[in-house]
Amino acid sequence: EAQVTQNPRYLITVTGKKLTVTCSQNMNHEYMSWYRQDPGLGLRQIYYSMNVEVTDKGDVPEGYKVSRKEKRNFPLILESPSPNQTSLYFCASSLLTGPGGTDTQYFGPGTRLTVL
Amino acid sequence: AQKVTQAQTEISVVEKEDVTLDCVYETRDTTYYLFWYKQPPSGELVFLIRRNSFDEQNEISGRYSWNFQKSTSSFNFTITASQVVDSAVYFCALSEAENTDKLIFGTGTRLQVFP
Repeated sequence: EAQVTQNPRYLITVTGKKLTVTCSQNMNHEYMSWYRQDPGLGLRQIYYSMNVEVTDKGDVPEGYKVSRKEKRNFPLILESPSPNQTSLYFCASSLLTGPGGTDTQYFGPGTRLTVL
Repeated sequence: AQKVTQAQTEISVVEKEDVTLDCVYETRDTTYYLFWYKQPPSGELVFLIRRNSFDEQNEISGRYSWNFQKSTSSFNFTITASQVVDSAVYFCALSEAENTDKLIFGTGTRLQVFP
């Protein structure tokens, strides 16, 4: 089954304790992205990756890191989490169809993070 | 600047009523894509539709229909004969061909369908 998976689904942590949220897709998609969802703000892009070893900042990258060592995986790293990073996080992936073409992004199930 | 506005924060209807969710977008690109996603209470994001800027034909899928009007920069979503299972938050989103596949989301409309 084609899917995007995220782990963990729920996480409660404390300020400053490094954490990683994993994201994996089995659709051979080049493009992967992280979004955060906050009440009244919709979803906002944190980071994205066009392919292996190619990553770039989205609209709200502060406090986050990513890596893309393999095509299927795109982990989100919070090196020193703070309470304002409490949010619902989504990973997404899509085919990269080139200039002038955008394919549909498919989302993982979400990770609800609480930073105390 | 690109922007998506969903002015309706919350809508409540009774089952079998028709309901329209509004979406207004702003973009300078001539090539762009519009999407609707559904987020049921379980929290996942479910893809509903993708429409490119060169295709203004309305689309119908079962009880769902979409009305795309470039003249008013709107991409509205109508549910006919609503059902309790339609209760969810619905997001409209914009993606610009020149802007690296980033999805720009509206703030969402929460639809509650009562029996």
